[in-house]
Parts: sequence; structure tokens; C-alpha cells
Amino acid sequence: AQSVAQPEDQVNVAEGNPLTVKCTYSVSGNPYLFWYVQYPNRGLQFLLKYITGDNLVKGSYGFEAEFNKSQTSFHLKKPSALVSDSALYFCAVNYGGSQGNLIFGKGTKLSVKP
Amino acid sequence: NAGVTQTPKFRVLKTGQSMTLLCAQDMNHEYMYWYRQDPGMGLRLIHYSVGEGTTAKGEVPDGYNVSRLKKQNFLLGLESAAPSQTSVYFCASSGLKGGRLNEQFFGPGTRLTVL
Repeated sequence: AQSVAQPEDQVNVAEGNPLTVKCTYSVSGNPYLFWYVQYPNRGLQFLLKYITGDNLVKGSYGFEAEFNKSQTSFHLKKPSALVSDSALYFCAVNYGGSQGNLIFGKGTKLSVKP
Repeated sequence: NAGVTQTPKFRVLKTGQSMTLLCAQDMNHEYMYWYRQDPGMGLRLIHYSVGEGTTAKGEVPDGYNVSRLKKQNFLLGLESAAPSQTSVYFCASSGLKGGRLNEQFFGPGTRLTVL
């Protein structure tokens, strides 16, 4: 069965430190992988995606993610966290082929303290 | 461009009442989706549409119906609301770019409470 796991419910980071939000997936075939961010009382905003090509994908707001096929992971990273990065982060994988249906992880709450 | 808009933003229903949530997108996207978001469960797909006049079931379709009469609109209906349908509902849309599926764009959400 297709699935996405975000093993951490919450990640706490000090401002200026690097951050990592973890995501692993299980899907047959070649996955399309996405990261979205959700600020309080808002809809999800797209951060970045991996479809093919370079394993390191760069996205919005200085975020990047590394696709690791052997470990079936797609961790989200940022070299220097900002307080304004505090939000709920979702990893998602496409499983529906051309329909683009996504399976979402349960989300990781990122808290960046000054 | 407004992107994806949802109406209403908030609604309180009594058990057994019906309502329709409206989603509209102005990006000429073929694909549209309805999700529900519940604490600790991420987003779950209710129904989706791959084009005008077509709809399909997602992961949690029971108790909901949808219609896509116009390409820009995707309606989600609750015929007889139940407390278990208390949730935040998100609509999303996506299109093809260079023959590949693009990312999904989300609306601001509708917070529904069923008493």
C-alpha cells in the first residue's frame, strides 16, 4: 500500500540553526514527492517537489529537500531557520498517476525559537 | 488571479442538515480535489475530478457527493450532516505543465462544525 510517514510530530529548532523535517514514503514505481507548508488558519502552500533529475531540490523560502531512493526518504532542510518558518509541514507523494492524487503525511509542527 | 477560493469560510450545521461547499479556481486547471483535514491525520482525499463533468471517489467518500458542471467549479455536498463530518475542508486544483502534472494549489479552507 502507498504511504507517507513523518516520524516526528514536532521539531524544535533555535533560530539560525539548521533544520530538518523528515519524510519517508512507500510507493510502487517512481514517486512524485512534494512538501507543503500550512500557517495557522490558512490553506497549504507549495514549497517544492521532486519528479525526476537532481536528488537535491530547491524550493521557496530557502528550503530544500533531498530525494534518497535507497532510503525512500525525502527530508526537508533549511541551513538557517527563521522564527517565521514556524508552521505545519506536510510531505506528500503522488500515487494516482495522471490523476495526481496525493497521499499526505500527518504533518510535522516546526517551532523555531528566537 | 484569485487562485482557489472557497465559500463559505465557516459553517455550523445541525445533524441531518444538508449543505454545499463551493470551490472555484481561475487557473484553467483540469484537476480539482476535495480534502478534509482532521487533527493528527493529515489531509485525506474525499473526491476528485479530472475534468468537467467527471468525478471520482477518493479515500473517504462516504457521506459526500460532488459535481463538476463547469471546469472552474467543484462542489462538495453533504446530504445529511453527521458530527463525524466536523472538519476543515480544503479544495485544491492542479494542471499539466509540459505534459507533467503540476503541484496542487489549495484554497483557504472551510471550517465546518456539525452539532
